[in-house]
Amino acid sequence: GAVVSQHPSRVICKSGTSVKIECRSLDFQATTMFWYRQFPKQSLMLMATSNEGSKATYEQGVEKDKFLINHASLTLSTLTVTSAHPEDSSFYICSAGQGKNNEAFFGQGTRLTVV
Amino acid sequence: AQSVTQLGSHVSVSEGALVLLRCNYSSSVPPYLFWYVQYPNQGLQLLLKYTTGATLVKGINGFEAEFKKSETSFHLTKPSAHMSDAAEYFCAVSEAGGYQKVTFGTGTKLQVIP
Repeated sequence: GAVVSQHPSRVICKSGTSVKIECRSLDFQATTMFWYRQFPKQSLMLMATSNEGSKATYEQGVEKDKFLINHASLTLSTLTVTSAHPEDSSFYICSAGQGKNNEAFFGQGTRLTVV
Repeated sequence: AQSVTQLGSHVSVSEGALVLLRCNYSSSVPPYLFWYVQYPNQGLQLLLKYTTGATLVKGINGFEAEFKKSETSFHLTKPSAHMSDAAEYFCAVSEAGGYQKVTFGTGTKLQVIP
């Protein structure tokens, strides 16, 4: 399968600061990328869908001004958690795909801890 | 709207015993169905998927799942559990029969007892 790389794998930041997480498709062009959040002992919840060159579509209840998503190229999407708070501590995972009928591949995830 | 229900948040089996993880789905259109495995602090790895065609799907690591439309089920099985199978398993369904915008179940943590 195709490779999706997520960076960093772990990050600790202070409350009030911003953190950027990168999701890269290494060997294919990803027209669509998805960002998920997984709280401890819970399933993955879709946060937003980003299409290259256009604004991300956020799921209900996800603050778009807090979770900034940029999909500026066909191989890179970034998620920036702005003014992070301890309750934002979670496992964030991206997936990337080439279109509706093409499989989306997952990154290895980023463990964010806000202290 | 699509949804997935996984019965049992924790399942324990003895090494060498049958593994059965249950999944029922709801979808208004023909679904694509997936099973993913997640090891601690790692991302998701696709075990197997059903799109169309043969209802018995074989995946990696000896796992297989059968799509039963009449029962709206997609249970995951493995004849003989290994210690390395201990992980969390997620059943998932995709929107409108495509691969993307996947909805996940709540997960089943598999424990393998030596």
